[in-house]
Amino acid sequence: NAGVTQTPKFQVLKTGQSMTLQCAQDMNHEYMSWYRQDPGMGLRLIHYSVGAGITDQGEVPNGYNVSRSTTEDFPLRLLSAAPSQTSVYFCASRQGPGWSSGNTIYFGEGSWLTVV
Amino acid sequence: RKEVEQDPGPFNVPEGATVAFNCTYSNSASQSFFWYRQDCRKEPKLLMSVYSSGNEDGRFTAQLNRASQYISLLIRDSKLSDSATYLCVVLTNAGKSTFGDGTTLTVKP
Repeated sequence: NAGVTQTPKFQVLKTGQSMTLQCAQDMNHEYMSWYRQDPGMGLRLIHYSVGAGITDQGEVPNGYNVSRSTTEDFPLRLLSAAPSQTSVYFCASRQGPGWSSGNTIYFGEGSWLTVV
Repeated sequence: RKEVEQDPGPFNVPEGATVAFNCTYSNSASQSFFWYRQDCRKEPKLLMSVYSSGNEDGRFTAQLNRASQYISLLIRDSKLSDSATYLCVVLTNAGKSTFGDGTTLTVKP
């Protein structure tokens, strides 16, 4: 069972470079999100989407773009990488509205990004 | 003020101890609540959902107090394998999910 798949798992970027973190889920989930997690910190929401064609900003959106052209894919684009964006990035998905008691959030395995 | 705040920890307890974590949230539109467990350098995984009536899963008990806007997690008879970071998660039905910073638990022999 694939679940949520993120690529790449590790990446080193130079300051100013751009790149895209890929995320795909095969569970037909409506909601998808991107988080970053810095050492010793919790997860901070970057962007999220409640369905194809709909995205919204989270807590720390600056420097990142997202798009949701299909239900399955939710790529995260770093526009011009900065050392402050060195972090672990997690993509996540869930079925739908938050009031569902069975609404488990499924995570990808994470993407370790270093910007030098 | 953060939307979701957890006990800062870390908690260092001996095997067999009972330990409790608390989490408060500020968004009154929050609808669903969960506790996740995260092991070092791994993705978070669901530990349990939290209901107003309280719920129990073996040694773990979670409770929700909507009036005071806090959730709790109680771990009884701690095991070495319980060592991890515990994250509380709050969801709104508008699609937004917010995590606390996590509380680290270390269970020692």
